Amino acid sequence: AQSVSQHNHHVILSEAASLELGCNYSYGGTVNLFWYVQYPGQHLQLLLKYFSGDPLVKGIKGFEAEFIKSKFSFNLRKPSVQWSDTAEYFCAVNAHGNNRLAFGKGNQVVVIP
Amino acid sequence: NAGVTQTPKFQVLKTGQSMTLQCAQDMNHNSMYWYRQDPGMGLRLIYYSASEGTTDKGEVPNGYNVSRLNKREFSLRLESAAPSQTSVYFCASSEGEPGNTIYFGEGSWLTVV
Repeated sequence: AQSVSQHNHHVILSEAASLELGCNYSYGGTVNLFWYVQYPGQHLQLLLKYFSGDPLVKGIKGFEAEFIKSKFSFNLRKPSVQWSDTAEYFCAVNAHGNNRLAFGKGNQVVVIP
Repeated sequence: NAGVTQTPKFQVLKTGQSMTLQCAQDMNHNSMYWYRQDPGMGLRLIYYSASEGTTDKGEVPNGYNVSRLNKREFSLRLESAAPSQTSVYFCASSEGEPGNTIYFGEGSWLTVV
């Protein structure tokens, strides 16, 4: 079964700082990769996903993620964060042939104005 | 746009009581899911239904039962609630193919005392 690791559970940043959240998965086959965001008091929303093709994926609100197959990683980045990016971010993976998502434990990101 | 609707939003139960969380989606999705979210644990799959008429256990099925009533509805039942089931529960749905986006409901906050 696939599993997902996210590091640095709590991240505190100032506005305009750059953000990078690490995500590593363990599964040897073909995978689909997702980043979801949960704003305070809200449900999870899709930020971006990788299915195939260009390993650099651009999502909403200026976020991007790069799939590096050799490192089993799918790190999320944003060059300049805003206060409104305060949220919890979840990496998720599903293996081809399996429509269930395995989630990481999440990164709580707080952006200080 | 309703998307995924779950009820109730908040519930307090006494240990040993039973209750059912209701979920409905209006996107004609094949697959539906129930997750629980606990601090520092991320989201863990309780049960899922790949299509109408089928259900399967996820990571943490003990203490729960589900019913896929029809294509739209997928309910989660706690037969005898325990304090360890205090959590936020999310219903979700997707078209069911690997790589499809999973759409989440707004969550149900359940406290068992």
